[in-house]
Amino acid sequence: DAKTTQPPSMDCAEGRAANLPCNHSTISGNEYVYWYRQIHSQGPQYIIHGLKNNETNEMASLIITEDRKSSTLILPHATLRDTAVYYCIVRVAYGGSQGNLIFGKGTKLSVKP
Amino acid sequence: DTEVTQTPKHLVMGMTNKKSLKCEQHMGHRAMYWYKQKAKKPPELMFVYSYEKLSINESVPSRFSPECPNSSLLNLHLHALQPEDSALYLCASSQSYVGTGARREQYFGPGTRLTVT
Repeated sequence: DAKTTQPPSMDCAEGRAANLPCNHSTISGNEYVYWYRQIHSQGPQYIIHGLKNNETNEMASLIITEDRKSSTLILPHATLRDTAVYYCIVRVAYGGSQGNLIFGKGTKLSVKP
Repeated sequence: DTEVTQTPKHLVMGMTNKKSLKCEQHMGHRAMYWYKQKAKKPPELMFVYSYEKLSINESVPSRFSPECPNSSLLNLHLHALQPEDSALYLCASSQSYVGTGARREQYFGPGTRLTVT
């Protein structure tokens, strides 16, 4: 079962920041937070991951609370092409079966003009 | 090149047919995955190959038979499927199945949309 809770849907105006929350209150010390997204009729796409520090890359920023029980994915200037289902996934730092990607229901982000 | 390709894009097959799905990557990745995604549901892991050996089979029925002929290629052989097997079949790859961080980021292909009639 997925270890995360996300709102089922969110709207965002084009050009504004999209802030997608994720709760992972049972996260363990050796587990990372990963974000993937899936644009309609495409395969999932990796966005970003982090352990406890905030992370930023060319796609997004990831803010993890100090207690690590929740996080927020930030798309700084959302475009219509960012409309997708966003999955927040918790997985162990090392590999093997415990590190499999287990997708929850995700958040359907709709970016509107 | 960060692309995972899958063929065919769409496949319609009868319950008595035998067909195969193909997945290819040229990123030098040594882990490859098959996922199944039903409509309006998240992807579910089916199989994991690590260094061309089957590492994980998530209790998938034997009518689905994976094969990894070399490090770049992954096949899924289909036989005697049921209509409820209709779904999007996604292939993914990563540098490694073990290890930490970026080595385990998975790159997904666009999927094969399978319809069983």
